[in-house]
Amino acid sequence: AQRVTQPEKLLSVFKGAPVELKCNYSYSGSPELFWYVQYSRQRLQLLLRHISRESIKGFTADLNKGETSFHLKKPFAQEEDSAMYYCALRDNYGQNFVFGPGTRLSVLP
Amino acid sequence: DVKVTQSSRYLVKRTGEKVFLECVQDMDHENMFWYRQDPGLGLRLIYFSYDVKMKEKGDIPEGYSVSREKKERFSLILESASTNQTSMYLCASGTGKTYVMNTEAFFGQGTRLTVV
Repeated sequence: AQRVTQPEKLLSVFKGAPVELKCNYSYSGSPELFWYVQYSRQRLQLLLRHISRESIKGFTADLNKGETSFHLKKPFAQEEDSAMYYCALRDNYGQNFVFGPGTRLSVLP
Repeated sequence: DVKVTQSSRYLVKRTGEKVFLECVQDMDHENMFWYRQDPGLGLRLIYFSYDVKMKEKGDIPEGYSVSREKKERFSLILESASTNQTSMYLCASGTGKTYVMNTEAFFGQGTRLTVV
């Protein structure tokens, strides 16, 4: 069965510190993986996707098929990064999305 | 810009009422989704539609039904609302294609439903 886990419910870091939000998945085929972000009172929006290998707002994520992980990283956290972050997997066969439980990132001044 | 619009931002309904949540997308997407968002549980899929009049149950379909009569519109129906259906409901749409660039889901602003 497809599953996405995010072990941390809450992650607090100081401004300027590195941050890593963990994501692990279980999927039998080749997954498409995404990170979504939800800022306070805003809609859920895409942050980045593994297929494009891009850096958005200083965040990067590398798909590690051996460890079935897709951790989100940023070298220097900013206060405006405080938000809820969800890791998601797209099932290429059924085309629905499976989301993790989310990690709330709090960047302290 | 993709627009996914949910008809209401906030709703308060009484136990036993029939509730309709409406969602419209303007990107000609084949797929549409209804999720329920609860703290600590993330997003859980209620129903999924991959074409007009087609639907598939998600992880938590009990107490819900859906309707997709037109490609751009996907409705979630609570047949008889109960207090445990108090939640944030998110609609999303996405392409039905694979191996293209923009395969992500696009979300509406959410409907906060309170059942009293």
